[in-house]
Amino acid sequence: GEDVEQSLFLSVREGDSSVINCTYTDSSSTYLYWYKQEPGAGLQLLTYIFSNMDMKQDQRLTVLLNKKDKHLSLRIADTQTGDSAIYFCGGSTLGRLYFGRGTQLTVWP
Amino acid sequence: NAGVTQTPKFQVLKTGQSMTLQCAQDMNHNSMYWYRQDPGMGLRLIYYSASEGTTDKGEVPNGYNVSRLNKREFSLRLESAAPSQTSVYFCASTSGSGNTDTQYFGPGTRLTVL
Repeated sequence: GEDVEQSLFLSVREGDSSVINCTYTDSSSTYLYWYKQEPGAGLQLLTYIFSNMDMKQDQRLTVLLNKKDKHLSLRIADTQTGDSAIYFCGGSTLGRLYFGRGTQLTVWP
Repeated sequence: NAGVTQTPKFQVLKTGQSMTLQCAQDMNHNSMYWYRQDPGMGLRLIYYSASEGTTDKGEVPNGYNVSRLNKREFSLRLESAAPSQTSVYFCASTSGSGNTDTQYFGPGTRLTVL
């Protein structure tokens, strides 16, 4: 089955960059995703990257994909207190999504 | 569009009681999913429906049943609730067309079984 590993916690100061890392085992995923979950809410898609890309940038977000090492990362530039949330990485295989356990990002003012 | 809606938002049950969690989507999506989220466990797939008329088990189907009532609606039923089923339940849908397969999530149902 699919396996996705993430560190559970990350704390940064407001204004610093945050980097959330993820490793996965299933190399057949067409897309890899980052979802954000704010307290008391469902998951919202933050960004995704197609598996044949190495990098995708979207405003303050940069996604890096190393297919050889099966490593995915999300960098948030100029992290704000509103970025405090749980971040899930995941992939899709045959239409089914699989997720890591989530990284709780805490941003200190 | 309302996206994915779930009812109820909160529910407290006693052990052995039954209930149905409702989910509906208005995005004309083919595929729908039920997940549970427990602290430190991330999301675990309970059941999914790749298209109207089909349902399949996910990682943790025991104690649950589902019905894909029509293309819009996918319900999750607990026949005899147990304290181990205390969790937050999320419904999701995706177009299933093989494009980005982006899943859209409902706001969740917080279920407590006493």
